[in-house]
Amino acid sequence: QVQLQESGPRLVKPSETLSLTCTISGGSISNYYWSWIRQPPGGELEWIGYVYTLGTTNYNPSLKNRVTILVDTSKDQFSLSLTSVTTADTAVYYCARGARVGGFDYWGQGTLVTVSS
Amino acid sequence: DIVVTQSPDSLAVSLGERATINCKSSQSVLHNLNNKNYLAWYQQKAGQPPKLLMYWASNRESGVPDRFSGSGSGTDFTLTVSSLQAEDVAVYYCQQYLSTPWTFGQGTKVEIK
Repeated sequence: QVQLQESGPRLVKPSETLSLTCTISGGSISNYYWSWIRQPPGGELEWIGYVYTLGTTNYNPSLKNRVTILVDTSKDQFSLSLTSVTTADTAVYYCARGARVGGFDYWGQGTLVTVSS
Repeated sequence: DIVVTQSPDSLAVSLGERATINCKSSQSVLHNLNNKNYLAWYQQKAGQPPKLLMYWASNRESGVPDRFSGSGSGTDFTLTVSSLQAEDVAVYYCQQYLSTPWTFGQGTKVEIK
């Protein structure tokens, strides 16, 4: 059974960089699109971007040039970096696998990241 | 961006009754090469991540009960729960994956009447 687990700091100061890692277990990281998705408390889901296992990326333009997603196939991990955060970036951050038929078929449990001084 | 809008925002249904959720996209999500609708449905229970229910608009994910069904094409889609059970209380989302940025609807909260 594929499992995803997010890790990283839960509290980030405004203007600093949010960094999260997603570790995949129980399945191969190869040949899939791996995404980050976030959800503000009580709010809607927003796709942040994906990385393919060969390193190709695609980001949501709404986050402008603040996002970087990288993959490390040797560690079965991929990561999210979001720069210049504000309180509007406070959200539960999920990592998820892109299903071959579309949609996201496996999700991490999510981690609440709070942006506050 | 393709904007996805769900209706209603919430609904209350009696146990055993039908629940119907609508999803409308601002552009067609029907791919002209394979004739598939690039739309998924998810169920999110309190404190949990979303769970994939349907893909290609009407294909049930493995393990999803057959009381869940999806229909529609182009820009208008429906998720139906034929006989609502207590464990179906959740927020339901639709999502288009025809073009990036992939976008979700705002969610529909389903409760027991």
